[in-house]
Amino acid sequence: SQTIHQWPATLVQPVGSPLSLECTVEGTSNPNLYWYRQAAGRGLQLLFYSVGIGQISSEVPQNLSASRPQDRQFILSSKKLLLSDSGFYLCAWSGGAPGANVLTFGAGSRLTVL
Amino acid sequence: QKEVEQDPGPLSVPEGAIVSLNCTYSNSAFQYFMWYRQYSRKGPELLMYTYSSGNKEDGRFTAQVDKASQYVSLLIRDSQPSDSATYLCATPIYNQGGKLIFGQGTELSVKP
Repeated sequence: SQTIHQWPATLVQPVGSPLSLECTVEGTSNPNLYWYRQAAGRGLQLLFYSVGIGQISSEVPQNLSASRPQDRQFILSSKKLLLSDSGFYLCAWSGGAPGANVLTFGAGSRLTVL
Repeated sequence: QKEVEQDPGPLSVPEGAIVSLNCTYSNSAFQYFMWYRQYSRKGPELLMYTYSSGNKEDGRFTAQVDKASQYVSLLIRDSQPSDSATYLCATPIYNQGGKLIFGQGTELSVKP
């Protein structure tokens, strides 16, 4: 069966520090991968998605970047964090059609920027 | 107007109650709708998936889509304390795979 892992689960970072959140998927190949952010009391906002190694699409301009160095690995990064980067970051994967609409989420990484 | 809107709640009901969670959407081109359940401090999990109009039932849960009114609902019968969670309505952007637009979610609390 497929599983998705995210780490770290929680982190507190000072403004201006770098960030790296990692996500890996097991039990499937060539998944579509996604990074979503959930601000307090708000729905999920799509940040990045990837259909293959090295293929990244950004949905919103921001202080973050994403990379996919391996088929089942997706990394969210920042060189210098802002206060507004605080939130709950969720990695997700989906398969190809007809299941492309169905996302499976990881447990999330809660980031607090102070 | 947001493309997908939900009443954020919180909604509090007694155990055994029938709960209706509602979602409206602004783009008549949306065809697929999902309901995700998110427990506190966890990632969302897919609960129901529907296409076009009509009802879909799964145990105590029924998802309804009214395309004419651009309205989606999730009915929970015989609600249980374990149903306490935030329920998120979502639809794919231009039917493009996993690029989903989410509502802000409705927080539900079921009291024993």
